[in-house]
This record gives sequence, structure tokens and C-alpha cells, in this order.
Amino acid sequence: EAQVTQNPRYLITVTGKKLTVTCSQNMNHEYMSWYRQDPGLGLRQIYYSMNVEVTDKGDVPEGYKVSRKEKRNFPLILESPSPNQTSLYFCASGGVNEQFFGPGTRLTVL
Amino acid sequence: AQTVTQSQPEMSVQEAETVTLSCTYDTSESNYYLFWYKQPPSRQMILVIRQEAYKQQNATENRFSVNFQKAAKSFSLKISDSQLGDTAMYFCAFASSTGAGSYQLTFGKGTKLSVIP
Repeated sequence: EAQVTQNPRYLITVTGKKLTVTCSQNMNHEYMSWYRQDPGLGLRQIYYSMNVEVTDKGDVPEGYKVSRKEKRNFPLILESPSPNQTSLYFCASGGVNEQFFGPGTRLTVL
Repeated sequence: AQTVTQSQPEMSVQEAETVTLSCTYDTSESNYYLFWYKQPPSRQMILVIRQEAYKQQNATENRFSVNFQKAAKSFSLKISDSQLGDTAMYFCAFASSTGAGSYQLTFGKGTKLSVIP
């Protein structure tokens, strides 16, 4: 089954404790991206990757890091999470005409 | 930069009735894609319908159809025979290629639709 997986699905953490949200796709897509969703703001792009070892900033990259060492994986790293990063996060992959979204990760930073 | 505007934060419709969700966008691109995504309480992002800008014919998917007005940069979603399962947040989105296999996907802020029994 073609899918994008994310882990964990839910995470509660404390300010400053480094965390990683994993994302994996099995569709051999070159393009992958991360979004955050906040009430009243829709989805905003954090980072994207056009291929292995190629990443670039989206609209709201501050406080986040990504890496793309393998085509299928695109982890999102929060080196020092802060409460304003409490949000719902989505990973996606695909082309300009069709994107596949992961199930989302609900992150709460206390 | 592209922008997508959904002017209706919340809407409601009686079951079996028809409802239209509005979306406008701003771009200087001539070729692009427009999407409507549904997000039910499960939070999953579900593609409802897609429109390619170079196609003049409006896209339809069962009870869902769009009114694509390219000159007016308008892309509304019509839901016919509304069902309780249509209750969800709906996002309008725009995508255009930026070269070398990359693209930008921009979302509106969403419209919360409630279907009333």
C-alpha cells in the first residue's frame, strides 16, 4: 500500500529537550516536505527536499532542522523545542499534481 | 509568492442540501494546479478534487464539483446532497512548479463545514 508514515503520532515534551519526528514514504518520490498546521492559519511549509541531500527552507523554518540521507526518509528535528512549536505536523511526498500526506503528529511542548 | 484566500471560516448546511465553499488565489503563473482537501476529525488530509489550470472543463468527483474561473482566479467547491460524513475542515490549495522538480504548495486557512441532520 502506497503511504507516508510518521512517528510518533502524539508527543508531549518539555522545553529544550531535543526530539525527532520521523517520516517515511514507499512511493519512491523525490520531493518530500514538512508542514505545520495551526488553528486559523492553515498549513504552512517548514522545509522541503527535492532529492537526497537537497533540502531548502519553506515559509516557517525557524527552530527546525531536516535531513535527507535516504530517498524514503525525511526526519524533522527540533533541537531545542519551545512552546510556540506546539502544533500539528504533517509530512508529505509526491509531485506538483498529487501529494500524499502522512497521518500527522500532534506535538505539545510544555 | 502565491496566496490562497478562503473567506468563509465556518459554514453549515442541512443534510441533503447543496453548499459552496469559496476560494480565491493570486499568482502570476500560467500553469498550476488547484486542490480541495478535506480534513475530518481524524486529522487525515484527504484529497477531494484537483483542477489543472490549463483544462477549461471543471473537475467533478461524484457529489463534489468545482467552479474554476481562471481569469477571476476563483476556485469554489460545490458539495451536492450533503452528508453527515462531509463534516470537516476544507482547505483550498495551490501548487506550481518552481523548476528542477521542485514546487510550492500553498494552503488557504480553511473553512469548517458542519452538516446538520
